[in-house]
Amino acid sequence: GAVVSQHPSRVICKSGTSVKIECRSLDFQATTMFWYRQFPKQSLMLMATSNEGSKATYEQGVEKDKFLINHASLTLSTLTVTSAHPEDSSFYICSAAVTGGQADTQYFGPGTRLTVL
Amino acid sequence: AQSVTQLDSQVPVFEEAPVELRCNYSSSVSVYLFWYVQYPNQGLQLLLKYLSGSTLVKGINGFEAEFNKSQTSFHLRKPSVHISDTAEYFCAVSDRMNTGFQKLVFGTGTRLLVSP
Repeated sequence: GAVVSQHPSRVICKSGTSVKIECRSLDFQATTMFWYRQFPKQSLMLMATSNEGSKATYEQGVEKDKFLINHASLTLSTLTVTSAHPEDSSFYICSAAVTGGQADTQYFGPGTRLTVL
Repeated sequence: AQSVTQLDSQVPVFEEAPVELRCNYSSSVSVYLFWYVQYPNQGLQLLLKYLSGSTLVKGINGFEAEFNKSQTSFHLRKPSVHISDTAEYFCAVSDRMNTGFQKLVFGTGTRLLVSP
C-alpha cells in the first residue's frame, strides 16, 4: 500500500518551454503533498507544501510564479515549471502524506528528472 | 529550526560486515526522526521512523536505529550488509510540536558502498 507515482519519469525540453509533472497517490487519499528538488549528489530541498483545494505554501526562495502547483484532488498534485531554463534542470520528487495517518508519514514518488537544453 | 548532520558522505564496507551510518540532529523542540533509502534515479523509501516509545526502532531490510536524546543522535545500523544495500541513505527530522503534517528536514546523505 501507500504507492505514489510520478509522470513523466524523465523529460527533456527546450529552454523557454513549460513542463508539467504529475504526482499521484495510487491507493490512498492525500490531503497534503510535498514537492522537493534534488541536485546531483545533494539532499532533498523542500520547494512547497500543497494542500488539496487550497493554494500551495512555498519555501523561501522558491518562485511561486515559476513553479506552479495545483492540488486538484486528494490523489493528484501537479508541478508546472514555467519558462524552463537550464538551471531548472534537476530531479523533482513529490511525496504524499496519508490522510488521518500517524503524523509525518510521507510516501515518496520515484522522481522526475528534468533536463532543460 | 531543525537541522540534520550526516558526517559521513560515503561509507565503504565489505559484504556481510556490520555498518553504522551516523546521524545527529539539532532542534529546540521534540522531534520525529526518519531514515530513508534512495536507489539510483529513484525516489525515497522509508526504512524506519521514531515517533515515540522504545528508542530502538527496527525497520525494513534488517536495518535498525536507536534514538539517543542526550546525544541527539539517531544512528542507523545493520549487522550484516548485502551488495543490494548499496544506495544513498538520508536521515530526516520533523517538528512534533505542531499539528498536521510537518516539513521534513533532510541531512546531506550518506552513500553506502558495499563491495564483495
